[in-house]
Amino acid sequence: ETGVTQSPTHLIKTRGQQVTLRCSSQSGHNTVSWYQQALGQGPQFIFQYYREEENGRGNFPPRFSGLQFPNYSSELNVNALELDDSALYLCASSLQRGDYNEQFFGPGTRLTVL
Amino acid sequence: RKEVEQDPGPFNVPEGATVAFNCTYSNSASQSFFWYRQDCRKEPKLLMSVYSSGNEDGRFTAQLNRASQYISLLIRDSKLSDSATYLCVVKAPGRRALTFGSGTRLQVQP
Repeated sequence: ETGVTQSPTHLIKTRGQQVTLRCSSQSGHNTVSWYQQALGQGPQFIFQYYREEENGRGNFPPRFSGLQFPNYSSELNVNALELDDSALYLCASSLQRGDYNEQFFGPGTRLTVL
Repeated sequence: RKEVEQDPGPFNVPEGATVAFNCTYSNSASQSFFWYRQDCRKEPKLLMSVYSSGNEDGRFTAQLNRASQYISLLIRDSKLSDSATYLCVVKAPGRRALTFGSGTRLQVQP
């Protein structure tokens, strides 16, 4: 196992609601990246947090926001949920060291929006 | 055009067969290349990095062709446990994100 944990494992929400997903990074890792994986697709980068600051963002609207805490755990918040937000949400932790650092994925949170 | 393109498959092969997957990428500045494996409803896991000189890990061989912007993965002597989706992943320098292809599904049959 990677030591990266996510909660909850599954979640059902209705359109328009808000959701918060949580991720605990591997011990010693200071960077958390969030990805969205729709059915039949590869993961798509949402954003990355490094030392509590957003450190890069993919092509996702502002209703996707995040936080990183002093212990390097992280939250992903999604407001005004849409049906297309139904997906597996993955977080990946890494140790920022140079340009490349291996990312270790958590088991994901499966979000269903009805 | 997608940044990373893969044949979605599925590739249905018998146990013991050799199977090859290909992947093309559009960003010529990309510097790091990987193959990840993803089992059904699980998270992706790093299978192997891909180096310019090509590299091998047991039954798995990865090749990179920078001129053609093409990556390949060869699996020899397929096992039932190799059944999974294989994701081609690329990273450009200075970018925070890993860029994933949509994956190629492999089903190894007894």
